Amino acid sequence: GENVEQHPSTLSVQEGDSAVIKCTYSDSASNYFPWYKQELGKRPQLIIDIRSNVGEKKDQRIAVTLNKTAKHFSLHITETQPEDSAVYFCALRGGGNKLTFGTGTQLKVEL
Amino acid sequence: SAVISQKPSRDICQRGTSLTIQCQVDSQVTMMFWYRQQPGQSLTLIATANQGSEATYESGFVIDKFPISRPNLTFSTLTVSNMSPEDSSIYLCSVLRAGTDTQYFGPGTRLTVL
Repeated sequence: GENVEQHPSTLSVQEGDSAVIKCTYSDSASNYFPWYKQELGKRPQLIIDIRSNVGEKKDQRIAVTLNKTAKHFSLHITETQPEDSAVYFCALRGGGNKLTFGTGTQLKVEL
Repeated sequence: SAVISQKPSRDICQRGTSLTIQCQVDSQVTMMFWYRQQPGQSLTLIATANQGSEATYESGFVIDKFPISRPNLTFSTLTVSNMSPEDSSIYLCSVLRAGTDTQYFGPGTRLTVL
């Protein structure tokens, strides 16, 4: 099946700094790329997504960029806050409307 | 958004027994999926639950171990059969509506097998 590599696996930043998480993939047919945030003990929640016909999308402090040629997409969080601490998963949609998830990034925002 | 409920929220079971997890959605959805999330790991798709027909299983998952039902557009069950400690995990139901991209997740069922 589709393979999604996600880096880094852990990321620690100071409050107010930016955080960037990157995912790479191999299937050029993938056309939808969501990002989920999962707090401890909670379900994954969609925070932002992008379709393949768009290069960048922004929602307040969160942005996603997509480079289809290079087959990678990234999550950018600016002005990080302690409540941004969570595990973040990238994903992509392939055949059969199935989502394949990256391995996750544990983000810790330190005061 | 979609309101998704799962029952039970958690359970502790003895090895060799089976547990059925229920997923109920508040409105009709096109697709329903079952995922497994082992402790500290990512989400792995078990199968796509098809209404009125056999589920479509991913590589490494079989119907005898994870039988799935979907009698209508808003309800599905996943059974974890003949459980072993390796089945200890969180099982999540997920849904997708026709014409939309957003996939929503249920709250999950935390299963511990002793």
